[in-house]
Amino acid sequence: SQTIHQWPATLVQPVGSPLSLECTVEGTSNPNLYWYRQAAGRGLQLLFYSVGIGQISSEVPQNLSASRPQDRQFILSSKKLLLSDSGFYLCAWSSLVGYTFGSGTRLTVV
Amino acid sequence: GQQLNQSPQSMFIQEGEDVSMNCTSSSIFNTWLWYKQDPGEGPVLLIALYKAGELTSNGRLTAQFGITRKDSFLNISASIPSDVGIYFCAGQLTSGSRLTFGEGTQLTVNP
Repeated sequence: SQTIHQWPATLVQPVGSPLSLECTVEGTSNPNLYWYRQAAGRGLQLLFYSVGIGQISSEVPQNLSASRPQDRQFILSSKKLLLSDSGFYLCAWSSLVGYTFGSGTRLTVV
Repeated sequence: GQQLNQSPQSMFIQEGEDVSMNCTSSSIFNTWLWYKQDPGEGPVLLIALYKAGELTSNGRLTAQFGITRKDSFLNISASIPSDVGIYFCAGQLTSGSRLTFGEGTQLTVNP
């Protein structure tokens, strides 16, 4: 069966520290993958999407970057976190019907 | 680009009441989707609609694909406390293409 894993579930990081969030998909090949950010109780902001290994499209200029080193692995990174990077980060893949989302990472930058 | 206007932004209702929310688009979609996000979780697909005019139910939930292809509605009947969460609509042009999401409707159900 097809599953999506996202970790960690929660993260508290100081301002200026690096970030690495990982997302992996199982049970499918060559999926379209997405990173979203959600402010508290608000809508979904698309950050990055990828249609294949090494192919990354950025939707908004920001302090974050994404990489896809393997077919089913999608990584969200930052070299130096800002307070404004706090939020709920969601990974998703383009499944047979719409998207399937991971369980999310709650990032708090302090 | 395409935009989805979802309303209302938030709703506060009593347990047992019915709920309605809708999404409208400036352009057509060929698929409409409705998701629910429980607090602290990722959104989960509730209902998918593939044909203009289609009416689909999933338990107490009923969704309709507008005849113009530019809107969709979600109704929840006899709400219960576990209906609390954020509901998102999404439109899709073709299978596998990117989704366009609404801003979400935050639903609070008072017991």
